[in-house]
Amino acid sequence: SQTIHQWPATLVQPVGSPLSLECTVEGTSNPNLYWYRQAAGRGLQLLFYSVGIGQISSEVPQNLSASRPQDRQFILSSKKLLLSDSGFYLCAWSVRGPTEAFFGQGTRLTVV
Amino acid sequence: GESVGLHLPTLSVQEGDNSIINCAYSNSASDYFIWYKQESGKGPQFIIDIRSNMDKRQGQRVTVLLNKTVKHLSLQIAATQPGDSAVYFCADSYSGSARQLTFGSGTQLTVLP
Repeated sequence: SQTIHQWPATLVQPVGSPLSLECTVEGTSNPNLYWYRQAAGRGLQLLFYSVGIGQISSEVPQNLSASRPQDRQFILSSKKLLLSDSGFYLCAWSVRGPTEAFFGQGTRLTVV
Repeated sequence: GESVGLHLPTLSVQEGDNSIINCAYSNSASDYFIWYKQESGKGPQFIIDIRSNMDKRQGQRVTVLLNKTVKHLSLQIAATQPGDSAVYFCADSYSGSARQLTFGSGTQLTVLP
C-alpha cells in the first residue's frame, strides 16, 4: 500500500533562518507531488506541484522553493524565512488522471 | 486558478441528525469534485468523489450531490456522529489543470451531544 511521510510535525524557526521540509512517498512510482499551505480558517493553497524528477511548477510567487531530487521525494525550502511563512504545510501525492490526492499529516511551521 | 467557495463557515448539528454541507464552485469546466475531512492538526482525508457525468453518488453514510447547472456541490452525512466533527473541504479540478485540486475554505462541523 502507498504511504506518505512528512516531517517534522512541528517546527519553530526564527525570522531569517533557512527551511527544509521533506516529504517522501512509498508504494508508488512516478506520482504527482504537491505542496500546499493552509492558513488558519482558510482553505488549502497550492504552492508547488511536480509531475516528475526535477520538474517543478510554482503556483504563487513567494519566499519558498521546491525541489524533487528523486521520484518519490519532494522538498520545500526557503533561504530566509519571513513571519508570513508561518502556517500549516501539507505534502500530497496523486497518480495521473482524475483522482484524489493523498495528504501527509502536515508540518506546523511557526516563524518567530 | 479558480476558487471553490463554501456557503457556511460553521455548522452545528445534533447527534443523530443529518448534516448537509454546501459548496459552490466557479469553474464551469470543472469535471471532478471531491470532499475531504480534516481533523484538527491532521492532513485532509478523502471522503467521497464525483465526476461531472454523475449528479449523485453514495458512500457509507455520505452522499454527494452535484448540480452542474448552478455549479453547486453538497455533502450529506446521515445520522451524524461525534466522530464526524471536523472541517470539511470541497475541491474541484478540470482536465486542463494537470489535475490540481482547488480547495474551498472549509466548513467546521460540530456535532452536539
